[in-house]
Amino acid sequence: NAGVTQTPKFQVLKTGQSMTLQCAQDMNHNSMYWYRQDPGMGLRLIYYSASEGTTDKGEVPNGYNVSRLNKREFSLRLESAAPSQTSVYFCASSESVAPQETQYFGPGTRLLVL
Amino acid sequence: DAKTTQPPSMDCAEGRAANLPCNHSTISGNEYVYWYRQIHSQGPQYIIHGLKNNETNEMASLIITEDRKSSTLILPHATLRDTAVYYCIVRVGNQFYFGTGTSLTVIP
Repeated sequence: NAGVTQTPKFQVLKTGQSMTLQCAQDMNHNSMYWYRQDPGMGLRLIYYSASEGTTDKGEVPNGYNVSRLNKREFSLRLESAAPSQTSVYFCASSESVAPQETQYFGPGTRLLVL
Repeated sequence: DAKTTQPPSMDCAEGRAANLPCNHSTISGNEYVYWYRQIHSQGPQYIIHGLKNNETNEMASLIITEDRKSSTLILPHATLRDTAVYYCIVRVGNQFYFGTGTSLTVIP
């Protein structure tokens, strides 16, 4: 059981380039999430998917798009990267979006936009 | 709008109990309090959560005040491996609201 996996682990982009961050979970969870963490701060929710086929905006969605490819996979796309998007990105999953359900996090993707 | 307030840092002697406080004075009646920790910028690790009652598991205890405006995470016998940033989180609907956390250093 790998839990939540993310690729790549580290990426450097130039301003204006695009890229997709990949996330997969093997816990048969219904809900998946993307967060970003800026230096010295807590995590902030970008987008989430309550179930396969649905996506919703979180606290900081601007500049991002997501795709829930299937139950296992949830990708985050930066269409035109900006230096303000330099951050560590974490994917998480949970059984459902019910308030008592725990979220399990991946190891993170460190993104540097020059 | 910060939904939780935590001290930025704390020290604890190895083998002693670590008591980490959190204020969440604007919490609503159906919003859960979660605690996670993050070691060396790895992915956050779940510790414990609760709604109204005190909770205990193999990692920690969570004490929630009767008015639910604050809580305390207790690590009963801190070890060096417990050195981490601890986040007190209020779950509002589908979102976790992380604060800036408490950096706990366990001292030998």
